[in-house]
Amino acid sequence: GNSVTQMEGPVTLSEEAFLTINCTYTATGYPSLFWYVQYPGEGLQLLLKATKADDKGSNKGFEATYRKETTSFHLEKGSVQVSDSAVYFCALRETGNQFYFGTGTSLTVIP
Amino acid sequence: GAVVSQHPSWVICKSGTSVKIECRSLDFQATTMFWYRQFPKQSLMLMATSNEGSKATYEQGVEKDKFLINHASLTLSTLTVTSAHPEDSSFYICSVWASSGNTIYFGEGSWLTVV
Repeated sequence: GNSVTQMEGPVTLSEEAFLTINCTYTATGYPSLFWYVQYPGEGLQLLLKATKADDKGSNKGFEATYRKETTSFHLEKGSVQVSDSAVYFCALRETGNQFYFGTGTSLTVIP
Repeated sequence: GAVVSQHPSWVICKSGTSVKIECRSLDFQATTMFWYRQFPKQSLMLMATSNEGSKATYEQGVEKDKFLINHASLTLSTLTVTSAHPEDSSFYICSVWASSGNTIYFGEGSWLTVV
């Protein structure tokens, strides 16, 4: 079956630190992979996505590369800001519209 | 601005009562909406797919008589938790499929606490 395993939080970093949030997946076919972000009081928003192996999704300084060989889609950012404090969800979607989500990782960036 | 509005954001209800959560599509008509729930330290799990004008499709293990879904219009789906119990306390979130843009939008989510 399909599943997503995501690094547990919470994660606390100082401003300008390097961020990595690990995400690995299990899928029966060829899924699309996503990172969603939820800022306090807001809905889940798409952060970035990749639809096939070796694709790199990027947005707002965040990057993630679809690694089929390691079934991973780790989220990275070189220099985090306080405004990046949020909960990050890794997800996959195979056929149809159903998503499979990770548990979410709470990130707090302190000045 | 928000594309999908979910209400209420927080709700506390007494055990045995029912509570309704609304999910509205603000910018487009949505024939399909999805309801998810997340228990503490667990993944967001799909509960059901809400189809406008027809019965919802529930995932295995989700009680359809307990979690009533009504998708009466192209912009509104409601989830009613009937006879709520403390174990129903969870984070419920809806999403809307915008087929025109091949995109899914999520609501803000609703925190339900049953006391």
